Amino acid sequence: GQNIDQPTEMTATEGAIVQINCTYQTSGFNGLFWYQQHAGEAPTFLSYNVLDGLEEKGRFSSFLSRSKGYSYLLLKELQMKDSASYLCAVWDTDKLIFGTGTRLQVFP
Amino acid sequence: KAGVTQTPRYLIKTRGQQVTLSCSPISGHRSVSWYQQTPGQGLQFLFEYFSETQRNKGNFPGRFSGRQFSNSRSEMNVSTLELGDSALYLCASSVTLDRGVGNEQFFGPGTRLTVL
Repeated sequence: GQNIDQPTEMTATEGAIVQINCTYQTSGFNGLFWYQQHAGEAPTFLSYNVLDGLEEKGRFSSFLSRSKGYSYLLLKELQMKDSASYLCAVWDTDKLIFGTGTRLQVFP
Repeated sequence: KAGVTQTPRYLIKTRGQQVTLSCSPISGHRSVSWYQQTPGQGLQFLFEYFSETQRNKGNFPGRFSGRQFSNSRSEMNVSTLELGDSALYLCASSVTLDRGVGNEQFFGPGTRLTVL
């Protein structure tokens, strides 16, 4: 079957670092995406991993371990505007399967 | 370059009615996918169209259907609406033929459907 798990909610303080984990079990794997979605808005692309390792993009980094079916999104120097839902999604052969998302709240 | 557009943005219907939602992809994008987003289930894949052909379908009943036109614009239709169909319907477009590696999807703002 297909299963993607992420924590439902997380909280953090402005300026801190937060790590959002995602574990997956899918029949196929052609890469893993992270999307950010602010309330009432469309999801926007953050990162893509298809090989094991860390991809860094400014304040955001994403890590993948295919053997463990595990990824994380690391957000550094948190800002209030980072309060949003973060969606982990796996390309399973020929379609994108999403987790239910992690709602991150950043407090001053 | 204009982004993905969806119309209407908000819609209120009653049970038993049918509804048609529209999506215009980014210029040059030939693949359009539709998703249903609800608080409990997250984003769930409905179907994907490429060059006017449905390439893939999720696990939704036959009341959910779609089509794509020669200009890549897509519509989805839901017949005999049920209360549980209340959701945000998102469409996403992508440029590549390859459905696998690196096929980033660009999302529209969604249509918020409320069924009373």
